[in-house]
Amino acid sequence: SQTIHQWPATLVQPVGSPLSLECTVEGTSNPNLYWYRQAAGRGLQLLFYSVGIGQISSEVPQNLSASRPQDRQFILSSKKLLLSDSGFYLCAWSPGTGGRGAFFGQGTRLTVV
Amino acid sequence: KNQVEQSPQSLIILEGKNCTLQCNYTVSPFSNLRWYKQDTGRGPVSLTIMTFSENTKSNGRYTATLDADTKQSSLHITASQLSDSASYICVVSLNTGFQKLVFGTGTRLLVSP
Repeated sequence: SQTIHQWPATLVQPVGSPLSLECTVEGTSNPNLYWYRQAAGRGLQLLFYSVGIGQISSEVPQNLSASRPQDRQFILSSKKLLLSDSGFYLCAWSPGTGGRGAFFGQGTRLTVV
Repeated sequence: KNQVEQSPQSLIILEGKNCTLQCNYTVSPFSNLRWYKQDTGRGPVSLTIMTFSENTKSNGRYTATLDADTKQSSLHITASQLSDSASYICVVSLNTGFQKLVFGTGTRLLVSP
């Protein structure tokens, strides 16, 4: 069966520090991968998606970047965090074909202080 | 514009009672619709998924309906339990080469003893 791992679960970082959140998927090949952010009391906002290694699409301009160095690895990064980057970040995957919706990781609670 | 709207925004019910959550969407081309349950601070977990040709799908005490003509879906929870307290998110997938997801902002359900 497929599983998705996302870490860390919580993170407190000072303003201006770098960020690296990692997500890996097991049990499937060539998945579509996503990074979402959820602000308090708000819906999920798509940040990045990837349909293959090295292929990254950004949905909104921001202080963040994403990379996909391996087929089942997706990384969310920032060189310098802003206070506004605080939020709940979710990684998700969906089958490359078949269109059955997405499956989510457990999320990372990021607090920038 | 692709949108998913959910109602009510929040709901409080007594333990043991039933409730129905609504989801209206204007998404094209439609692929499928999923209902997710999201506990506070956790990633969303899929409850049901329905394609264009499916009208009803059940998962234990959860029953989802889909009317593709009116572009409406509902999630009915029977004999609610305290553990049902969570956010319920309606997510519609577009039938594109890349499975883009459109999220509702969710319904916050509180089951009171």
